[in-house]
Amino acid sequence: DAEITQSPRHKITETGRQVTLACHQTWNHNNMFWYRQDLGHGLRLIHYSYGVQDTNKGEVSDGYSVSRSNTEDLPLTLESAASSQTSVYFCASSAESSGSNEQYFGPGTRLTVT
Amino acid sequence: AQSVTQLDSQVPVFEEAPVELRCNYSSSVSVYLFWYVQYPNQGLQLLLKYLSGSTLVKGINGFEAEFNKSQTSFHLRKPSVHISDTAEYFCAVTSWGFQKLVFGTGTRLLVSP
Repeated sequence: DAEITQSPRHKITETGRQVTLACHQTWNHNNMFWYRQDLGHGLRLIHYSYGVQDTNKGEVSDGYSVSRSNTEDLPLTLESAASSQTSVYFCASSAESSGSNEQYFGPGTRLTVT
Repeated sequence: AQSVTQLDSQVPVFEEAPVELRCNYSSSVSVYLFWYVQYPNQGLQLLLKYLSGSTLVKGINGFEAEFNKSQTSFHLRKPSVHISDTAEYFCAVTSWGFQKLVFGTGTRLLVSP
């Protein structure tokens, strides 16, 4: 069965360190998204990609970067982790469409920055 | 710009009672609307979606939602809830040609015996 996986599931890091969260999907979807989930804010879009070599900033992109070198993977990098980036991070993917296709979500990565 | 408002952050309900989770959206163009559910320590999964046609949409696990264009609402309902429905529910909106979703802040449904 096709799936979307994230690793690690839990991560504790120190302020100022670079951290990379992995996202891998086997749906062969063109679209991939990164969200963060915080209490009272729901899910907020960090970065997204509509295909290989394509990346775009979402509403909360400061301090984050992504790169898309193949269809399956969209790693999220925190260049210099800050305590404000403590959150649960979700990756999602969807088939290319006019917007009507659902997004499939990974299980999430809980990141704590100390 | 599009936005979604879920006014109720938490809805407590007894098992077998009916429930309605409210969602209002703002958009200047025609919309696609979604309800997702998140069980504890899991990712989100699709409950149902409205694209066009009938305004009453049926989803998984006995949930349904009604699209009301005049009131810009897409409320989620279930006639009889189970303990296992305890979860967080997110309403989301997008439009034709857009592949990004805008999510509401979520409603936590707490079902007690």
